Amino acid sequence: QITLKESGPTVAKPTQTLTLTCTFSGFSLSTSGVGVGWIRQPPGKALEWLALIYWNDDKRYSPSLKSRLTITKDTSKNQVVLTMTSMDPADTGTYYCAHSDLRRCGGDCYYDHWGQGALVTVSS
Amino acid sequence: DIQMTQSPSTLSASIGDRVTITCRASQTIHHWLAWYQLKPGKAPKLLIYDVSSLQGGVPSRFSGSGSGTEFTLTISSLQPDDFAIYYCQQYNHLSPWTFGQGTKVEIK
Repeated sequence: QITLKESGPTVAKPTQTLTLTCTFSGFSLSTSGVGVGWIRQPPGKALEWLALIYWNDDKRYSPSLKSRLTITKDTSKNQVVLTMTSMDPADTGTYYCAHSDLRRCGGDCYYDHWGQGALVTVSS
Repeated sequence: DIQMTQSPSTLSASIGDRVTITCRASQTIHHWLAWYQLKPGKAPKLLIYDVSSLQGGVPSRFSGSGSGTEFTLTISSLQPDDFAIYYCQQYNHLSPWTFGQGTKVEIK
């Protein structure tokens, strides 16, 4: 059974750097084809894809946020970490991590398991 | 990037109604389309992938269709558990993942 859970601060101040951790079970990020991505949802707005890291350390970033994001993995801890710099109130929202497996699509794929999300509020 | 346009943004329906949500892509995405269901406080749920393949455990009243740039999600007989927000997502290999704006299905 695949599970993912997001953790991190619930409040961040403007200009700060946010660090979120996704802790997962039921799969390994050392397995060929497996990836973990981050997606966010501002209050009342649509889902927005942020970043993804694959088993081979291949990393993908949203072009509009690329300069502010870093995604890393710790395979031994079953964790993926997302850092976002220069936080702004517009970054307020629920941040989700999710599992993907490109073996199911022959390339970049959908997200078949998601965490419940972590609400982050950016406010001074 | 590929833009995904969903309609309607809100849909009011009654239990037992047939419900259809449309998603249009700004360019062809072949069959690289998924649908998700979101409810407050719960993990988003994958419903449909590859346009029309039903994810395991998802009720058969959900179905997907379409090709190229126009796609639909249909709920054949709306149930109380189906009131939620639905998103389409494209996963074309040559473009960043993008989502539609969402469709809220509410009780009429």
